[in-house]
Amino acid sequence: LAKTTQPISMDSYEGQEVNITCSHNNIATNDYITWYQQFPSQGPRFIIQGYKTKVTNEVASLFIPADRKSSTLSLPRVSLSDTAVYYCLVRQSGGSYIPTFGRGTSLIVHP
Amino acid sequence: ETGVTQTPRHLVMGMTNKKSLKCEQHLGHNAMYWYKQSAKKPLELMFVYSLEERVENNSVPSRFSPECPNSSHLFLHLHTLQPEDSALYLCASSPSKGDTEAFFGQGTRLTVV
Repeated sequence: LAKTTQPISMDSYEGQEVNITCSHNNIATNDYITWYQQFPSQGPRFIIQGYKTKVTNEVASLFIPADRKSSTLSLPRVSLSDTAVYYCLVRQSGGSYIPTFGRGTSLIVHP
Repeated sequence: ETGVTQTPRHLVMGMTNKKSLKCEQHLGHNAMYWYKQSAKKPLELMFVYSLEERVENNSVPSRFSPECPNSSHLFLHLHTLQPEDSALYLCASSPSKGDTEAFFGQGTRLTVV
């Protein structure tokens, strides 16, 4: 099981870019990196997924270096509504994947 | 709206009660999951169903009993719970058990008194 490590919490201000880095040193060759967002008292929501280099969608960008031992979720120009917990997940080794969540990063965006 | 609906959204039950949580998805997914999220803790996987067959059971106490009558519905039957079972119970689905994107419901906030 590829373990992930993220900062427990981060603070930012409206309009800033936020980068949350996740370490996954023992990621396997075929593993994908997935990020979820969770608001209080709601279920997590899939944000973005990538395998290498850079992936961008309407919500965020995901940067993955060549060694794939870490990844960075980038949220451009955050707003108060981006206050949430962000989870980094890596596909379990052995093939059959079940989303397994760690503690995530609690992002608080201030006015 | 993720396409996964959970009812009820809130539930208060006594330790001697029997209740059921319901999860419904019409996304055509074949895998469904129950997670438990206690305060200040990570999500804990409880049960996984694939094509209506239970394939994972993470040592969950028998007072929690899942049921998957078809690929669109998932239930969690509760009986003789303890106050420490109070938590947010989340249902999720994915196209198959091997997919990396899961769709979560809003959850049921359970309080055991």
